[in-house]
Amino acid sequence: RKEVEQDPGPFNVPEGATVAFNCTYSNSASQSFFWYRQDCRKEPKLLMSVYSSGNEDGRFTAQLNRASQYISLLIRDSKLSDSATYLCVVTGYSGGGADGLTFGKGTHLIIQP
Amino acid sequence: NAGVTQTPKFQVLKTGQSMTLQCAQDMNHNSMYWYRQDPGMGLRLIYYSASEGTTDKGEVPNGYNVSRLNKREFSLRLESAAPSQTSVYFCASTASKSQPQHFGDGTRLSIL
Repeated sequence: RKEVEQDPGPFNVPEGATVAFNCTYSNSASQSFFWYRQDCRKEPKLLMSVYSSGNEDGRFTAQLNRASQYISLLIRDSKLSDSATYLCVVTGYSGGGADGLTFGKGTHLIIQP
Repeated sequence: NAGVTQTPKFQVLKTGQSMTLQCAQDMNHNSMYWYRQDPGMGLRLIYYSASEGTTDKGEVPNGYNVSRLNKREFSLRLESAAPSQTSVYFCASTASKSQPQHFGDGTRLSIL
């Protein structure tokens, strides 16, 4: 099993819809979780950290399920500008290279007008 | 607010040439990283430096060397460039493993 897995998509979603995608991770000792957004040929940018109790930032909601070892990202009222690749990042366990820092390969989201 | 600065932004090399990619951060971060990203692929860690004075190999270190010159700067060197090293290279930094990484805007490297 890969350390961090994401459905690569693409997810084609009409503008205004709600879309959600998950990221599963294999190491139960992982401690920190993040969602990044990456636009074509640009650098990844932090979208939001993922906290144990779940957290919301505007139209974006992130959740962590430690028992099932996945994090999720929900985007409500999607905008054309939300089209991007969304990367999940897992880190923070000792013993793994770079403190177990692992990027998922990303989920490609296309919002259609 | 410069954040993470990478130079150069674009470079074309011939096979066998050497070059150094520069990265500097002004956020007083302890850890710095070098990644490569190939078209349609995820980020792959080349080398990282958990703190000033230390460096460690990542997933794909072959063909590269790094230097953590001081707390601010972390350079990546290609001693003898190969076409397989054509990629976009990103530098990143973070204060600690529980904090998110901040990325530079990348160096686009083509090796002919």
